[in-house]
Amino acid sequence: AQSVAQPEDQVNVAEGNPLTVKCTYSVSGNPYLFWYVQYPNRGLQFLLKYITGDNLVKGSYGFEAEFNKSQTSFHLKKPSALVSDSALYFCAVRDRGRGSTLGRLYFGRGTQLTVWP
Amino acid sequence: EAGVTQFPSHSVIEKGQTVTLRCDPISGHDNLYWYRRVMGKEIKFLLHFVKESKQDESGMPNNRFLAERTGGTYSTLKVQPAELEDSGVYFCASSQDRSVGSPLHFGNGTRLTVT
Repeated sequence: AQSVAQPEDQVNVAEGNPLTVKCTYSVSGNPYLFWYVQYPNRGLQFLLKYITGDNLVKGSYGFEAEFNKSQTSFHLKKPSALVSDSALYFCAVRDRGRGSTLGRLYFGRGTQLTVWP
Repeated sequence: EAGVTQFPSHSVIEKGQTVTLRCDPISGHDNLYWYRRVMGKEIKFLLHFVKESKQDESGMPNNRFLAERTGGTYSTLKVQPAELEDSGVYFCASSQDRSVGSPLHFGNGTRLTVT
């Protein structure tokens, strides 16, 4: 069964500092991993994905994520945080089975990121 | 292109009443998904349409939930009768295909409160 864990409910960081939002996963086979962001009163926006290839993937708004197979992690990172990055971040894994569940996303609980000035 | 739109944005109803949520996917997207997030918990899958057919409805909590997608365009999710534990944010998402690299496009959600 596919599952995702986000061990931190909240992450607080000062503007200009690097940020990391953690995600670990459990899947059978190779994982297809995604990060989404939800700003207040908005829907989830796609940030980036890992399907195959380079372990470091770059996405929107200067975010990047590092896939680590041995640690089954896919942490989201940004070198220099902005106040406008404050939002709710969700990690997700995509079902790659052959049956009816193909394409389904399994989400973590979300991590609230607060960047203070 | 217009994004995924959901209506209403908020709904407050009493236990035992009926509520119908609507989702308009991005035009041309055959795949339509419903998800739900109960406060503080993970976003959970409810069901998946491919055009007008239910591809996977294994996430539907019980038979008080009924989803339809007549004509393969917009979709409705009806809760009847609503219970307190149905409160949460209901998200709709669409995608052009089911390939694993194809991201889902989400609507802003409907926040349902059952009192």
